[in-house]
Amino acid sequence: DVKVTQSSRYLVKRTGEKVFLECVQDMDHENMFWYRQDPGLGLRLIYFSYDVKMKEKGDIPEGYSVSREKKERFSLILESASTNQTSMYLCASSWSSGANVLTFGAGSRLTVL
Amino acid sequence: KQEVTQIPAALSVPEGENLVLNCSFTDSAIYNLQWFRQDPGKGLTSLLLIQSSQREQTSGRLNASLDKSSGRSTLYIAASQPGDSATYLCAVRPQGGSEKLVFGKGTKLTVNP
Repeated sequence: DVKVTQSSRYLVKRTGEKVFLECVQDMDHENMFWYRQDPGLGLRLIYFSYDVKMKEKGDIPEGYSVSREKKERFSLILESASTNQTSMYLCASSWSSGANVLTFGAGSRLTVL
Repeated sequence: KQEVTQIPAALSVPEGENLVLNCSFTDSAIYNLQWFRQDPGKGLTSLLLIQSSQREQTSGRLNASLDKSSGRSTLYIAASQPGDSATYLCAVRPQGGSEKLVFGKGTKLTVNP
């Protein structure tokens, strides 16, 4: 089975801190995604990467950046955390062709105080 | 712009009942449609993926259908069990090469013993 592993299940950070959320997948998937999920708003795509060092903005990229230096790892960076970035963050990966089933990690619950 | 709607937002049924969850989308130009399950505080688990050329997919007690022309998909759950209680989300992948899925906000299902 494909595994998508998110490094932290729960984080508590202070406003203004730099935050790194790490995601690793073990099936050589080309595509990797970062979503955030908020009650009433559903899943919203932050950033997407289709190859090493390649990225595309999603629907809500403001306040976030990403890094993909290796195929298996996709990092989400909050340069200066703010309280409105308190959320559940979900990483996912998929093949780029065929039945590209999206596989999600368990999620990282971030609280910014 | 593609929009995905799931109605109702919540559904409560007694154990053993057969039930149908609905998903509608505004643009029929889709590559595929996926159904996911999400347990509270967890990531999403892919249940079924239907390619645009397919009419339905089955897995165990689950059957998903797709009617592209009318912009609808249904997830049929047979003989529901308390363990089926979760939020069910559908997502479409638009045609045109985009890897970005468009998600509905989900239907929260409660199966009462």
